[in-house]
Amino acid sequence: DAMVIQNPRYQVTQFGKPVTLSCSQTLNHNVMYWYQQKSSQAPKLLFHYYDKDFNNEADTPDNFQSRRPNTSFCFLDIRSPGLGDAAMYLCATSRDPGESEKLFFGSGTQLSVL
Amino acid sequence: GQNIDQPTEMTATEGAIVQINCTYQTSGFNGLFWYQQHAGEAPTFLSYNVLDGLEEKGRFSSFLSRSKGYSYLLLKELQMKDSASYLCAVIKAAGNKLTFGGGTRVLVKP
Repeated sequence: DAMVIQNPRYQVTQFGKPVTLSCSQTLNHNVMYWYQQKSSQAPKLLFHYYDKDFNNEADTPDNFQSRRPNTSFCFLDIRSPGLGDAAMYLCATSRDPGESEKLFFGSGTQLSVL
Repeated sequence: GQNIDQPTEMTATEGAIVQINCTYQTSGFNGLFWYQQHAGEAPTFLSYNVLDGLEEKGRFSSFLSRSKGYSYLLLKELQMKDSASYLCAVIKAAGNKLTFGGGTRVLVKP
């Protein structure tokens, strides 16, 4: 039973064309994270939500935005994708911050920019 | 900031043992994770250490020394399916944010 679900598995977009990646969870976790992982590199945290509180990483470009309309869903919006934004985007959840919980990852969305 | 270092790549033979080292420098350390990641897939949780010592879980063991800022992941009785990247990740007490090392790609040969 999938607990963190990302759609689509593969996404192709055009240079400069806005794209939205989605993530849903059935764990009722309070925290949802978005990571970007480029080929052969470590996953890099873009931002996370603790409930409705949005926490942006200092070096996340303005081109990346996120929405969390409810506990279950979280979206990653890339306003004007560039070639350098081609990557695997990983959504993850955890029960609470302040506790050392292991993160539950979705299967990822592989984004290609043409 | 945090520095997490691990070797880029290791090769081992099926049935053998491989040890993947990870060193880190961080303030407010609150635990170290190891994740396995097959190509094109999401990381999957392997182990979590917060106290010094060895945690054994089947063929995989993980060790932590907080004073040395050092951990290793030990893979025993290697199988072909163990060919993957292994990511060391450190979590800080504040904010529950996980920071990953660059990963070690392990190639298991017959």
